[in-house]
Amino acid sequence: GAVVSQHPSRVICKSGTSVKIECRSLDFQATTMFWYRQFPKQSLMLMATSNEGSKATYEQGVEKDKFLINHASLTLSTLTVTSAHPEDSSFYICSASDGTYSNQPQHFGDGTRLSIL
Amino acid sequence: ILNVEQSPQSLHVQEGDSTNFTCSFPSSNFYALHWYRWETAKSPEALFVMTLNGDEKKKGRISATLNTKEGYSYLYIKGSQPEDSATYLCAFSSSNTGKLIFGQGTTLQVKP
Repeated sequence: GAVVSQHPSRVICKSGTSVKIECRSLDFQATTMFWYRQFPKQSLMLMATSNEGSKATYEQGVEKDKFLINHASLTLSTLTVTSAHPEDSSFYICSASDGTYSNQPQHFGDGTRLSIL
Repeated sequence: ILNVEQSPQSLHVQEGDSTNFTCSFPSSNFYALHWYRWETAKSPEALFVMTLNGDEKKKGRISATLNTKEGYSYLYIKGSQPEDSATYLCAFSSSNTGKLIFGQGTTLQVKP
């Protein structure tokens, strides 16, 4: 149980393109989804927390107009990197939880490797 | 700035060896400590969520301890097997918001 599907797994595109990444919970209702980014040899860094039906909460230093997050249903959240540039190249991974509680494990997708040329 | 440190960064052991690694986190404002196993080309898998000082959890050959007063957790693997090869992540939470701060991970390679 607790399967999270993330697509696409890899994206290579030109600078200026907008890229959408989907995160789906397949067998549970994800009240909360988290979006992380990982640069080479660094730890997973939380970008934003999204709750179904409400605006995402962004961490300090993350541009909300650059990284658009939509959590329209209890099973789907999307992250859109708008007008992506080479510095946005990174590994993006989502996780989902059926509650906004720190004493519950998070269930992760497989991640998306984004490369901007 | 809250910081989570894991050591060692990487570890190579022989099959059958027991091993352990450390996660250090702020000792103030503790709420929870998570351990995840992340195999190559797969998604991170939750191992343990620990909330109480002195907590010990076990899952098969893997166990973890927690000391919130001094800010560290140990993960132990008894009789390592090649399938234990993965990166082990710990993550700290200072509040009940679900927000986690991750360490950089310890990458374990078990040689047959």
